[in-house]
Amino acid sequence: DAGITQSPRHKVTETGTPVTLRCHQTENHRYMYWYRQDPGHGLRLIHYSYGVKDTDKGEVSDGYSVSRSKTEDFLLTLESATSSQTSVYFCAIGAGGEQFFGPGTRLTVL
Amino acid sequence: EDQVTQSPEALRLQEGESSSLNCSYTVSGLRGLFWYRQDPGKGPEFLFTLYSAGEEKEKERLKATLTKKESFLHITAPKPEDSATYLCAVQAERNNDMRFGAGTRLTVKP
Repeated sequence: DAGITQSPRHKVTETGTPVTLRCHQTENHRYMYWYRQDPGHGLRLIHYSYGVKDTDKGEVSDGYSVSRSKTEDFLLTLESATSSQTSVYFCAIGAGGEQFFGPGTRLTVL
Repeated sequence: EDQVTQSPEALRLQEGESSSLNCSYTVSGLRGLFWYRQDPGKGPEFLFTLYSAGEEKEKERLKATLTKKESFLHITAPKPEDSATYLCAVQAERNNDMRFGAGTRLTVKP
């Protein structure tokens, strides 16, 4: 398995609070991605990074920001969480469409 | 806008009963079409990449095919361990975005 970990694995928070999810990889891969997965919608790309300090928006980036200060870490921040951001969040690494996914973080916003 | 539609949403098979999953797509300039397998509570696992119409890829009991409008994942003589959700995704030539379908949930009964 590709060395990808996500933390926390589960989180319950309240509307309006900031939340940061962490993705850590040991593969030294240049590209990293954040997705959310919701029933009926499949996986949707939030943001991705193509190098340290280089990031770009995906399909559903509103309400999310990311940072990558080291090759191995990619952080996803919800500045002020809303109930619509309740979802399972996956981090991935890889080039093109051949991506390797982490185990996911289940986030519940009450 | 790029779109991916998978059918059926759910499929129940008896062990040994072959069938096919469908992935219809619209994309402006296809860079690649990808199949993933996802087990409950886990991140997706990469299976195949297809780049051009007519291309086929095989792995054990799975074979993926591609036309200009759709892809099929053929499952020959499935076993219970093939039970999973199968995801299809496309990537356009113009960017790095991956667009996923909602998936087909396959159950194989012994």
